[in-house]
Amino acid sequence: SQKIEQNSEALNIQEGKTATLTCNYTNYSPAYLQWYRQDPGRGPVFLLLIRENEKEKRKERLKVTFDTTLKQSLFHITASQPADSATYLCALMGQAGTALIFGKGTTLSVSS
Amino acid sequence: DAGITQSPRHKVTETGTPVTLRCHQTENHRYMYWYRQDPGHGLRLIHYSYGVKDTDKGEVSDGYSVSRSKTEDFLLTLESATSSQTSVYFCAISEQVSGPWDEQFFGPGTRLTVL
Repeated sequence: SQKIEQNSEALNIQEGKTATLTCNYTNYSPAYLQWYRQDPGRGPVFLLLIRENEKEKRKERLKVTFDTTLKQSLFHITASQPADSATYLCALMGQAGTALIFGKGTTLSVSS
Repeated sequence: DAGITQSPRHKVTETGTPVTLRCHQTENHRYMYWYRQDPGHGLRLIHYSYGVKDTDKGEVSDGYSVSRSKTEDFLLTLESATSSQTSVYFCAISEQVSGPWDEQFFGPGTRLTVL
């Protein structure tokens, strides 16, 4: 079955640095991958979608890469701020093409 | 939260009792989903709906049933609640006009405790 792993449960960085979060998947080759942000006590909020032929996508301070050879997506936040502190989830569409499979998330803490 | 409400927001119940959670949307999106979120497991799909009266099982559907009699409402029922169903439940919607890759919009969640 498809498996999706976010390697770090927690990541602590200083304000102004670039945060890099990793999402690996196995037993499947998804056509696209999504990233969500979740704040404590709230539902996830969609951030970015990247397709397998896009390799890289940017939105303001966010950058996502998609390496189908390594079966990995990297999520970067440049010039990080304390307000970026949250849990970040990656998700891919399951092979049946009907529902998303989510990783367990990485909790990012940005200290000032 | 993109026009999605969940009720109740918090509930404490006893083992063996039936519980119904409600998700209501004002976006007229076709797809609706129920997830549960637990520490160490992340978000897991329980059931989803692709139209009125059209539903299908997700990864962790045992002990749960759903119904969708109107586009805007998707109900999740725990037939006989157990302590293992203590969790935070999220409803999500998706338009999927472009395709199954369309983003999902999540509700605020319901925290359920089964004693």
